[in-house]
Amino acid sequence: DGGITQSPKYLFRKEGQNVTLSCEQNLNHDAMYWYRQDPGQGLRLIYYSQIVNDFQKGDIAEGYSVSREKKESFPLTVTSAQTNPTAFYLCASSIIRDSGANVLTFGAGSRLTVL
Amino acid sequence: GQNIDQPTEMTATEGAIVQINCTYQTSGFNGLFWYQQHAGEAPTFLSYNVLDGLEEKGRFSSFLSRSKGYSYLLLKELQMKDSASYLCAVMDSNYQLIWGAGTKLIIKP
Repeated sequence: DGGITQSPKYLFRKEGQNVTLSCEQNLNHDAMYWYRQDPGQGLRLIYYSQIVNDFQKGDIAEGYSVSREKKESFPLTVTSAQTNPTAFYLCASSIIRDSGANVLTFGAGSRLTVL
Repeated sequence: GQNIDQPTEMTATEGAIVQINCTYQTSGFNGLFWYQQHAGEAPTFLSYNVLDGLEEKGRFSSFLSRSKGYSYLLLKELQMKDSASYLCAVMDSNYQLIWGAGTKLIIKP
C-alpha cells in the first residue's frame, strides 16, 4: 500500500541536542512538506520541496533544516537553535497541480518532547 | 493578515446532524479543504470546494460561499467514530495553504 511513513513516533530530546525526524513516501509525489502542530493553533509550514535537491522555507523555518536527496525522502532536523521544539510534527506529500486542488497525504506524525 | 476562524469545540449526539462553520479572510482564493484528524493521528482529506455551492459525499457535505468567505462541513447520521478534530484550510493566491486551528467534535451516545 502506498503511503507516508514517519519515524520515530515519539522522541525525547535534551536541550542542546539536534534530532532528525524521518519521512519516506512511496506515492511518487513530487512535493513534500513539513508542518508543526501545536494545541489551539493551525498547522504551520516549516519547509517544503517540489523537486529533488531543492526546498523552500515556510513560515517558521528558523531552527530547522531539511534535505531532499531522493524523491522519496524528506528528513527534518530540529536543531538546538529551535527555542521551543516540543510539538507534533507532520510530514505530507502531494502531486503538483496547476489548479489549487493539491490534496495532501499526511504521515502519522512524530511527537517531539524536550526534557 | 490572513485568518481562518472555526469554533474550538462542538458537542453532538450520536445519530444527529452537526454543522461546523469556517470563515476566512485570505489574500486570494484557490480552494477550501476540509480534513479530519483523530487524536494523535494523521489528518485525512474529506473535501475540496472551489466553486460556490454544496458538495455531497455520503454522510458528509461541504458548502462554500466565496462572496461571504464562508464554508461549512455538514455531518449527518453521526457515529461515535466521527469524534475527531475537523480542520479547515484555504489555498491563497500564492497556492499556500492557510490552516484554521481545527474544531474538536465530541459525539455523545
